[in-house]
Amino acid sequence: EVQLQESGPGLVKPSQSLSLTCSVTGYSITSSYRWNWIRKFPGNKLEWMGYINSAGSTNYNPSLKSRISITRDTSKNQFFLQVNSVTTEDTATYYCARLGRGVDYWGQGVMVTVSS
Amino acid sequence: DIVMTQAPLSVSVTPGESASISCRSSKSLLHSNGITYVYWYLQKPGKSPQLLIYRMSNLASGVPDRFSGSGSETDFTLKISRVEAEDVGIYYCGQLLENPPTFGAGTKLELK
Repeated sequence: EVQLQESGPGLVKPSQSLSLTCSVTGYSITSSYRWNWIRKFPGNKLEWMGYINSAGSTNYNPSLKSRISITRDTSKNQFFLQVNSVTTEDTATYYCARLGRGVDYWGQGVMVTVSS
Repeated sequence: DIVMTQAPLSVSVTPGESASISCRSSKSLLHSNGITYVYWYLQKPGKSPQLLIYRMSNLASGVPDRFSGSGSETDFTLKISRVEAEDVGIYYCGQLLENPPTFGAGTKLELK
């Protein structure tokens, strides 16, 4: 079965960078599909951040394009999120997820708080 | 960006009764290929979101057939027949027609 697991620090200081890892088991990220980062803000709003596809191409939400980067390590079957120059408004639960017929597999999420 | 507007924002349902949640998109989600790119998700308390319905009316794997999706080009409905305790949570509609993918604000379903 496909499983995704996020990892990374739960607390980041303002102006610093947020870096998260998504480890995928049960499916190779180079086989197919788009591998996404989605976040949920306090108050329940969901925001799609971007994806890296099986060929390694990326697509980002224009609202975040200048601040984020999604990369991968195919040898470890992992993909990564980096968000630069974070503010308190980046406080959210971050999910990695697979986009198939809809977002059909989600990680359990990691809560990230931006605070000094 | 395509705006997805859900109603109501919260609903309270007696177990065994049915519930409907509406979602409206700011533009047509019907592609020229005949597919309507609207999706429904449920986030149960303490869990990650899960896919319920894809492409407006198709039941995702493992989802009970008490759930159904319908609609037109811009107006969509998720219906839950015979609501059970496990159906409690936040329901989201979403679109994948255009970049960026967007979601509704969520509808919280509670039991009476």
